[in-house]
Amino acid sequence: QQQVKQSPQSLIVQKGGISIINCAYENTAFDYFPWYQQFPGKGPALLIAIRPDVSEKKEGRFTISFNKSAKQFSLHIMDSQPGDSATYFCAASRRGYTGTASKLTFGTGTRLQVTL
Amino acid sequence: DAGITQSPRYKITETGRQVTLMCHQTWSHSYMFWYRQDLGHGLRLIYYSAAADITDKGEVPDGYVVSRSKTENFPLTLESATRSQTSVYFCASSDSGTSTSYEQYFGPGTRLTVT
Repeated sequence: QQQVKQSPQSLIVQKGGISIINCAYENTAFDYFPWYQQFPGKGPALLIAIRPDVSEKKEGRFTISFNKSAKQFSLHIMDSQPGDSATYFCAASRRGYTGTASKLTFGTGTRLQVTL
Repeated sequence: DAGITQSPRYKITETGRQVTLMCHQTWSHSYMFWYRQDLGHGLRLIYYSAAADITDKGEVPDGYVVSRSKTENFPLTLESATRSQTSVYFCASSDSGTSTSYEQYFGPGTRLTVT
C-alpha cells in the first residue's frame, strides 16, 4: 500500500531553473513531512521538513509548500545547481507515542539532474 | 568514529545462505531502523527498534530477523537469502519518537547481491 505518492520519477532541469517535486499522502494522521536528499553511494540525509500547521517553509534555495486540504506537499528548488543533482525522497510520519518509533513512510523517489 | 556505520559495505552471497548485516551508532539514539532501497519502491521499512530488546516489524519483514541487545547495535539477519533480497540496505537511527524533530540519520548502506 503506497501511502505517499511521489512524482515525477525523474527530472532534468537546466542550471538556474526551478525544480519541482510533488508528493501526495493518504493518511490524515501524518503530522511531519520531511524531504531527504541522497547522493549516489550515500545514505539519505534530511534536507528540509514541515509540519501541517504552516503552508510553506523556506531554507535557502529549498522551499516546501504544503496543502493540507489537498493532502499534498511539494519541494521547490530555486536556482537549481549541478550540485543539486541527486535523488530526492519525500516522506511522512505521525507523532509517536512514548515507547513507539516515529516511522517514516517514504515516496518512491525523484532522480534530479541539473544540466549546465 | 562518531556517527552511524554499516558493515560490510558490499556483500555477495548465494541463495539459501544466512547473512548478517551490521549497524552501529555512537549517538546513543533510542530508535533504530532498517530499510531496503529498490528502484521504483523507494525506501521500505523492514524492522525498527524503540530501545534495546524492543523491536517491531515494518512494511516488509518477511525473511528477515533483527535483534538489539545493546542500544548501539542493530544487526539484520537474512536467515536464508533469496534473490529477491538483492538490494541496498540502509540502517538509520533517531533520537526520540516524541521529540519535536523526527530526523533519522542514515548509514552509508550495504549493497547485497544474492546469486
